[in-house]
Amino acid sequence: QVQLVESGGALVKPGGSLRLSCTASGFNLSDHYMSWIRQTPAKGLEWVSYISNRGYSIYYSASVKGRFTISRDNANNSLYLQMDSLRADDTAVYYCATGKRTYNYWGHGTLVTVSS
Amino acid sequence: DIQMTQSPSSLSAFVGDRVTITCRASQAITNYLNWYQQKPGKAPKLMIYAASNLESGVPSRFSGNGSGTDFSFTINSLQPEDVATYYCQQYDNLPRTFGQGSKVEIK
Repeated sequence: QVQLVESGGALVKPGGSLRLSCTASGFNLSDHYMSWIRQTPAKGLEWVSYISNRGYSIYYSASVKGRFTISRDNANNSLYLQMDSLRADDTAVYYCATGKRTYNYWGHGTLVTVSS
Repeated sequence: DIQMTQSPSSLSAFVGDRVTITCRASQAITNYLNWYQQKPGKAPKLMIYAASNLESGVPSRFSGNGSGTDFSFTINSLQPEDVATYYCQQYDNLPRTFGQGSKVEIK
């Protein structure tokens, strides 16, 4: 059974950092491109980043480029999102998902709140 | 960025009704469009990919259509378990973008 579990969400102050993790089970993470997508009530669903199956190809949305870093550890079936210089508008539920065009499987999400 | 505009934003229909949601892209995206269902407190679930292809395990009362800039998503015979918000998403270009969502409720 395919499962993705995010962790690492927390309350953090503006300017702070946070590292999100996504652990996969039931399939080989190395077979899939992976993406991070976030959701807020105000802005809805917003694509954040994706990484190729071996990590050689990476793209970011303009709103996070230069502040967020996506990475993966296929040996441990894990995906990461390092978030630095966090801003209030980064507050969202963050989902990891399989794919770079079509998101077949999603995790349950982890809440990141940026507030002083 | 490609803007995705859905309508209506919300609708209410009777069990058994046919429900249609539309999604318009700000530029042509061929058939590079997916539809997702999201129930409260849950992650989105892929329903339709490449505009008209039913994802495995999704009931056949769901369907999608369209190409270019105009797309539709239909539920034939609305069921109580279909209460959710539905989103379109384009993958013709980066950044991938989603519609704002269409909330479906039962009358």
